[in-house]
Amino acid sequence: DAGVIQSPRHEVTEMGQEVTLRCKPISGHNSLFWYRQTMMRGLELLIYFNNNVPIDDSGMPEDRFSAKMPNASFSTLKIQPSEPRDSAVYFCASSFDRYSNQPQHFGDGTRLSIL
Amino acid sequence: AQSVTQPDIHITVSEGASLELRCNYSYGATPYLFWYVQSPGQGLQLLLKYFSGDTLVQGIKGFEAEFKRSQSSFNLRKPSVHWSDAAEYFCAVGYGGATNKLIFGTGTLLAVQP
Repeated sequence: DAGVIQSPRHEVTEMGQEVTLRCKPISGHNSLFWYRQTMMRGLELLIYFNNNVPIDDSGMPEDRFSAKMPNASFSTLKIQPSEPRDSAVYFCASSFDRYSNQPQHFGDGTRLSIL
Repeated sequence: AQSVTQPDIHITVSEGASLELRCNYSYGATPYLFWYVQSPGQGLQLLLKYFSGDTLVQGIKGFEAEFKRSQSSFNLRKPSVHWSDAAEYFCAVGYGGATNKLIFGTGTLLAVQP
């Protein structure tokens, strides 16, 4: 079975540009999570969706960040405008939450560098 | 507030030696506990999880972990480390009911000497 698929794997862009990260969760999973990983702050939960609805976006750092989940098989995380401090590895994870104890499965991440 | 502490930032062990990675959590109710491993350039892979029942849980790659409620700990162990175990290990606590929101520790980077 295919795991969580993220694209692109690497992104290098100049500050001020719009960045869009993409995620395809595991088929049948109905919870989706976006994380950011940096050396300074470790793994931080940015936002999570349940049944395509954003449940908690309290981890989104500021209004420059937005996330959408238009359907059960696709989500995007957008940064506009991007800044150098947004450089990090962004992970998407999904889980099947019907029984509230299912683990999250992670994608391989998108390594983002803002110059 | 919920939190997870991994007191060891970096550990080096010799191949074939035993391993124990420490994890302490702070959570008011019975937690869901997880250990994940991250190899360089990769995402996080689930090693094992604890929800209830037997406090000693077995995972993949020969790892096990023991939940000790009295010590608020969930330490990861392996009796004999292989060079391929070199990676970063994350302990996490799940809360929030059906959405299984996770808080991660800061990770322990494991180096294996030949």
